[in-house]
Amino acid sequence: QVQLVQSGAEVEKPGASVKVSCKASGYTFTGYYIHWVRQAPGQGLEWMGWINPNNGGTNYAQKFQGRVTMTRDTSISTAYMELSRLRADDTAVYYCARAQPLDYWGQGTLVTVSS
Amino acid sequence: EIVLTQSPGTLSLSPGERATLSCRASQSFSSSYLAWYQQKPGQAPRLLIYGASNRATDIPDRFSGSGSGTDFTLTISSLEPEDFAVYSCHQYGSSPRTFGQGTNLEIK
Repeated sequence: QVQLVQSGAEVEKPGASVKVSCKASGYTFTGYYIHWVRQAPGQGLEWMGWINPNNGGTNYAQKFQGRVTMTRDTSISTAYMELSRLRADDTAVYYCARAQPLDYWGQGTLVTVSS
Repeated sequence: EIVLTQSPGTLSLSPGERATLSCRASQSFSSSYLAWYQQKPGQAPRLLIYGASNRATDIPDRFSGSGSGTDFTLTISSLEPEDFAVYSCHQYGSSPRTFGQGTNLEIK
């Protein structure tokens, strides 16, 4: 069965970076894009971008351009999302999801940014 | 950017009643790229409907989607206790992908 398993919760200081992993199983990793979506506490879903695991191509939402980097390691069927220069308003649950549509989602990773 | 506006923000209904949720887009786009998600507290979103009207795998037939252009609707024909959750629409036809702000379906 298709599964996306994400890394655990993180607590970071403002200005730091965080890297979240998303390990895929149950399907051909290079056959589907991986999208990243975040959800701030009590808020709606916000799309961050996607990575094509086949060739590493990426497309980021303009809001995150220059701060987000999405990569993958096909040898271990894992995608990564790194967000730099963290601010308090980056506190959110970060999800990876297989696309599209976004049919399978990871369990989410809580990233807390606090001094 | 396509802005999706959902209404109402909160919908209070009783089990057995019919729920109608709306999603309006700021510009027209192909219905092939409109999805609906259900999300319960502490859980990831779950795909219900894609292509505006296609039920995802294992989704009960009390859930249906319709619409085109700028106006889309999710209907739950007869609410079950497990249906009370937040519902979000999502367009995936153009970049940036966008989501509606969600409709909170609560028990009356």
